[in-house]
Amino acid sequence: GAGVSQTPSNKVTEKGKYVELRCDPISGHTALYWYRQSLGQGPEFLIYFQGTGAADDSGLPNDRFFAVRPEGSVSTLKIQRTERGDSAVYLCASSLSTGSNSPLHFGNGTRLTVT
Amino acid sequence: AQKITQTQPGMFVQEKEAVTLDCTYDTSDPSYGLFWYKQPSSGEMIFLIYQGSYDQQNATEGRYSLNFQKARKSANLVISASQLGDSAMYFCAMREGDLNNDMRFGAGTRLTVKP
Repeated sequence: GAGVSQTPSNKVTEKGKYVELRCDPISGHTALYWYRQSLGQGPEFLIYFQGTGAADDSGLPNDRFFAVRPEGSVSTLKIQRTERGDSAVYLCASSLSTGSNSPLHFGNGTRLTVT
Repeated sequence: AQKITQTQPGMFVQEKEAVTLDCTYDTSDPSYGLFWYKQPSSGEMIFLIYQGSYDQQNATEGRYSLNFQKARKSANLVISASQLGDSAMYFCAMREGDLNNDMRFGAGTRLTVKP
């Protein structure tokens, strides 16, 4: 079956611009996660959704970052007034069930470059 | 506070030999899950193996096994009969609790398999 799909795969934007990153999870997966990964580091948690609501947004670095999942499936990560420090790979993941035994299944990421 | 610690930034192993990648974790929750992921240079995150905190036996998946020492809070990944395709970044991760909480990752270990 189809895996987690992220678009675009690459995004180059100028400092100060607004960007949207899209994630389409595996069908039937109720939980959706956003991570940010800088070069040579592990994924850093940003936010996760259970259904339509953000269950935990404690990882969002500041109020320039916002994410939605209006119908409980596709999610969009929105970054306002981008800064060069926002450059990273943004990973989306989904999981089938609740519980600490459920692995996350990742998309291939969106590489964001802010110039 | 850092909950997952991977102390080996880089490891080398000869092809066909076994290698152990270290991971220690910190949690006060009695129910948790431990995961290992592989990230090749192409960037995708590939789920390898899972160990539950209540599991009595070490998890195994093909050439991967997890050396789970609960009292020491360690969950080391053992790769047997290394192959050139095993060269990648390896991340240890943990989910806490019985609810669908987020997954936290370590900083990773870069494994290089030598021919």
